[in-house]
Amino acid sequence: NAGVTQTPKFRILKIGQSMTLQCTQDMNHNYMYWYRQDPGMGLKLIYYSVGAGITDKGEVPNGYNVSRSTTEDFPLRLELAAPSQTSVYFCASSWGLAVTYEQYFGPGTRLTVT
Amino acid sequence: AQTVTQSQPEMSVQEAETVTLSCTYDTSENNYYLFWYKQPPSRQMILVIRQEAYKQQNATENRFSVNFQKAAKSFSLKISDSQLGDTAMYFCAFENYGGSQGNLIFGKGTKLSVKP
Repeated sequence: NAGVTQTPKFRILKIGQSMTLQCTQDMNHNYMYWYRQDPGMGLKLIYYSVGAGITDKGEVPNGYNVSRSTTEDFPLRLELAAPSQTSVYFCASSWGLAVTYEQYFGPGTRLTVT
Repeated sequence: AQTVTQSQPEMSVQEAETVTLSCTYDTSENNYYLFWYKQPPSRQMILVIRQEAYKQQNATENRFSVNFQKAAKSFSLKISDSQLGDTAMYFCAFENYGGSQGNLIFGKGTKLSVKP
């Protein structure tokens, strides 16, 4: 199993551009998550999904959108990129509730907005 | 609001020795979970150990153990027989039972260096 994969690994965006961060998991997990990690900080939850067709906001959802059309994929869309969105983005997945089942993380995408 | 504080930005330890990383948290909830995650230079987050707040017994996973003091809201991680591969950022995290799924509250992390 590849686990959780994310593309791209690195990206530089200009202010106002848009992009989609891809996340795929091959473990048949129902739950998927997007986090961001700012320099010197821990991770903060952006959005999560408990199954195909179901998504909900986390702690810091502004400026992002998600969709979950399949169990495997959970893309994160950035519209009108801003310098404040410069961060490392992590996708994660788990069988069920995070308190009960381990979250498996992808390797991250480092995004710079200039 | 729940917060997690890691007061040691950086620590170092000699190979084979023992090191303890500190973590305190603040919550008014009674049922919650605490985690330690490891983030090596590869950036991938790896769960090290988990503790349920209702369990008095401290969790142990091989060389990793915790000292959970619920009244003091303290959750430290002890790494025994440190290995070079333990070099990483370590994050303490908290989640309410029944809270938003996956809404782990992370501390700022402690950078651990294991020296040969």
